Amino acid sequence: SQTIHQWPATLVQPVGSPLSLECTVEGTSNPNLYWYRQAAGRGLQLLFYSVGIGQISSEVPQNLSASRPQDRQFILSSKKLLLSDSGFYLCAWSVSSGNHNEQFFGPGTRLTVL
Amino acid sequence: SQKIEQNSEALNIQEGKTATLTCNYTNYSPAYLQWYRQDPGRGPVFLLLIRENEKEKRKERLKVTFDTTLKQSLFHITASQPADSATYLCALPLTGGFKTIFGAGTRLFVKA
Repeated sequence: SQTIHQWPATLVQPVGSPLSLECTVEGTSNPNLYWYRQAAGRGLQLLFYSVGIGQISSEVPQNLSASRPQDRQFILSSKKLLLSDSGFYLCAWSVSSGNHNEQFFGPGTRLTVL
Repeated sequence: SQKIEQNSEALNIQEGKTATLTCNYTNYSPAYLQWYRQDPGRGPVFLLLIRENEKEKRKERLKVTFDTTLKQSLFHITASQPADSATYLCALPLTGGFKTIFGAGTRLFVKA
């Protein structure tokens, strides 16, 4: 069966510090991968998606970046965090050949920037 | 641009009653619509998908309707239980199928 992991679960970082959040998927090959951010009481904002190794599409201009160094690994990074980067970060995957794009979400990372 | 609207006010109902949540969308004709459940501090979990040519879909105590004329989906939970308390999100695919837009969700509280 497929599983998706995210770490860390929670993170408190000072403004201006770097960020690296990691997501890995097991039990599937060539998944579509996604990073979302969810502010308190708000909907999911798509940040990045990837349909293959090294292929990253950015949805929102910001100080975040994403990379996909391996088929089932997706990394979200920042060189300098802003207060506005605080939120709940969710990684998700979907079947690349599926036509209904059901998404499977990880447990999330709660990021607080102080 | 495409928009999804869900009632931002929480829905409070008594155990055993039917909960009905609404999802409206504009500027869009999606091929299907999805519903997810999200518990506090957790990632959303897929519940149901309904296609544009389906009027109604059922899964156990869940029922979803899809009115493409009204551009609206209704999500029903019959015989609701306190364990059904969560936030429910509707989601639509964007053209190309790789991306999905999510509504902000409606928080449901079921009282025992």
